Amino acid sequence: EDQVTQSPEALRLQEGESSSLNCSYTVSGLRGLFWYRQDPGKGPEFLFTLYSAGEEKEKERLKATLTKKESFLHITAPKPEDSATYLCAVQAENDMRFGAGTRLTVKP
Amino acid sequence: NAGVMQNPRHLVRRRGQEARLRCSPMKGHSHVYWYRQLPEEGLKFMVYLQKENIIDESGMPKERFSAEFPKEGPSILRIQQVVRGDSAAYFCASSPNRALSTEAFFGQGTRLTVV
Repeated sequence: EDQVTQSPEALRLQEGESSSLNCSYTVSGLRGLFWYRQDPGKGPEFLFTLYSAGEEKEKERLKATLTKKESFLHITAPKPEDSATYLCAVQAENDMRFGAGTRLTVKP
Repeated sequence: NAGVMQNPRHLVRRRGQEARLRCSPMKGHSHVYWYRQLPEEGLKFMVYLQKENIIDESGMPKERFSAEFPKEGPSILRIQQVVRGDSAAYFCASSPNRALSTEAFFGQGTRLTVV
């Protein structure tokens, strides 16, 4: 069965303290891996799509990487406005399967 | 180009009533996904539809839940005889196609409360 596991469940950082979020997956026929940001009470906001191992994408302080078994979302010098839940999803044949998310809190 | 529109944003129903949640995909998008999210949990896949077709409903409860995406108009997620356990946020996402595995854009969700 397709599975997506995110770790840690929650992460508290000081402003400027870089770190990484992990998304490990088991899926047959991976079509793409997605990262979303979700703020409380809102829908997920698209960040990145990764399609093949070795691929990397960057957007401001965020960089996503992909291997055959996992993806990392690296956050460099985070700011309080980066606080949110970050969701990872894998797209297989007919649907996108989401992980439970990592709740990131960045303290000033 | 408006994003994915869901309405209502908030819906309160008494136990036993019906809930209808609507999702208008982005212009040009013909693929719709419905997800349910409980507090402090991730999104759980429910159903994947294309225009007039249900492609995958493996995440839908067998009873009381149904979904459609007619040729004209929004996609509808229908919950009959709601129970307290149906209280959750329901999100809809749309994408232009499946084959290219492009990103899916989400609506702001409908928060269903069953009292």
